[in-house]
Amino acid sequence: EPEVTQTPSHQVTQMGQEVILRCVPISNHLYFYWYRQILGQKVEFLVSFYNNEISEKSEIFDDQFSVERPDGSNFTLKIRSTKLEDSAMYFCASSETKGVGQPQHFGDGTRLSIL
Amino acid sequence: DQQVKQNSPSLSVQEGRISILNCDYTNSMFDYFLWYKKYPAEGPTFLISISSIKDKNEDGRFTVFLNKSAKHLSLHIVPSQPGDSAVYFCAATGYNFNKFYFGSGTKLNVKP
Repeated sequence: EPEVTQTPSHQVTQMGQEVILRCVPISNHLYFYWYRQILGQKVEFLVSFYNNEISEKSEIFDDQFSVERPDGSNFTLKIRSTKLEDSAMYFCASSETKGVGQPQHFGDGTRLSIL
Repeated sequence: DQQVKQNSPSLSVQEGRISILNCDYTNSMFDYFLWYKKYPAEGPTFLISISSIKDKNEDGRFTVFLNKSAKHLSLHIVPSQPGDSAVYFCAATGYNFNKFYFGSGTKLNVKP
């Protein structure tokens, strides 16, 4: 069964450094998402992306965050200047269509640790 | 932004018995509801869904019930197995939404 893959599985970065989290969505999917889960807390929506542009973003997704689909297969999340509170599991998800009728499929996440 | 709530952080059930996980939502615009299962160190895995035109959807041991008037859905697992031990998230979305709203999760422990 096709799956969403994320790399790296664990990223350790010094505060203030830039980090790029990578995702390869399922190949025929058109909608892409990033979520994060701080340890012990709920899964929080960050951003949705369709047709090479952001469809929606949350308050968490400030100017330090950006997303890109640099080629036909990768979907990346960049954090420009990481803060301690960015430490979390970051999940990428994709779906064939938007919203109703199609589940989002998640990758196994990247654990981001900011020192 | 507590549009989807799971009020029970944990649930413990004996193997072979029924597990019932509950979820409440506040937004009447939600049309589509899902349950995800999450093991440690893995991403959420889609389990089962239901659209607002139905009140029940069944897939093997898993059944989701939707009560639109109460804005409540539940997941029933019968019979429960130790391998079902995981965190279960409910999620909701609608035609006009670009994202899913997730509950905070319920950790299910099925005891052998």
